[in-house]
Amino acid sequence: AQSVTQLGSHVSVSEGALVLLRCNYSSSVPPYLFWYVQYPNQGLQLLLKYTTGATLVKGINGFEAEFKKSETSFHLTKPSAHMSDAAEYFCAVSRTGGGNKLTFGTGTQLKVEL
Amino acid sequence: NAGVTQTPKFQVLKTGQSMTLQCAQDMNHNSMYWYRQDPGMGLRLIYYSASEGTTDKGEVPNGYNVSRLNKREFSLRLESAAPSQTSVYFCASKVTGFPGANVLTFGAGSRLTVL
Repeated sequence: AQSVTQLGSHVSVSEGALVLLRCNYSSSVPPYLFWYVQYPNQGLQLLLKYTTGATLVKGINGFEAEFKKSETSFHLTKPSAHMSDAAEYFCAVSRTGGGNKLTFGTGTQLKVEL
Repeated sequence: NAGVTQTPKFQVLKTGQSMTLQCAQDMNHNSMYWYRQDPGMGLRLIYYSASEGTTDKGEVPNGYNVSRLNKREFSLRLESAAPSQTSVYFCASKVTGFPGANVLTFGAGSRLTVL
């Protein structure tokens, strides 16, 4: 069984400030990990993914995430927030080898203020 | 390239009515999924189809049926709609059998209200 916990359903930052969105996972086997972003009234889009190899993963729009096995975490960061980053962010986990199901977290709504 | 197309985008039903949500993808993906999204609950998997000709229950299948009509199309049917099925429904698809391929491509969503 696998699950994802996203700490903080709402996060607010100032424009130019660091963005940190937290994700912890539970998986009985080595996981694949993902961050998706959802802009208002749209479907989800992939931001970045970790499968194997380098534990620091870079994604689109300046976001990155680090897989920390010892902490079972996959937190999403961006050094400097932009107004266009305001969206809902979802962490997701699946089994290694592909598998057929992704399990999503409950999402974190990011608000960026001037 | 259209990606994943869902119809309708909006629908209002009365309790007990039936309807079908349609989904089609043009990316030659093997696997297709139906999720529902509710505030504070993230996305929950209703049904999925790993390949043409197969369907499996997800986390919340009760009250729904699906049909994998062909490789492109995967429909979700509500036989007798209930207010608890008011939600935003997303169809998604992905390639299988490719290393690290669990990347889902999502449709834009179908917003369903059951009165």
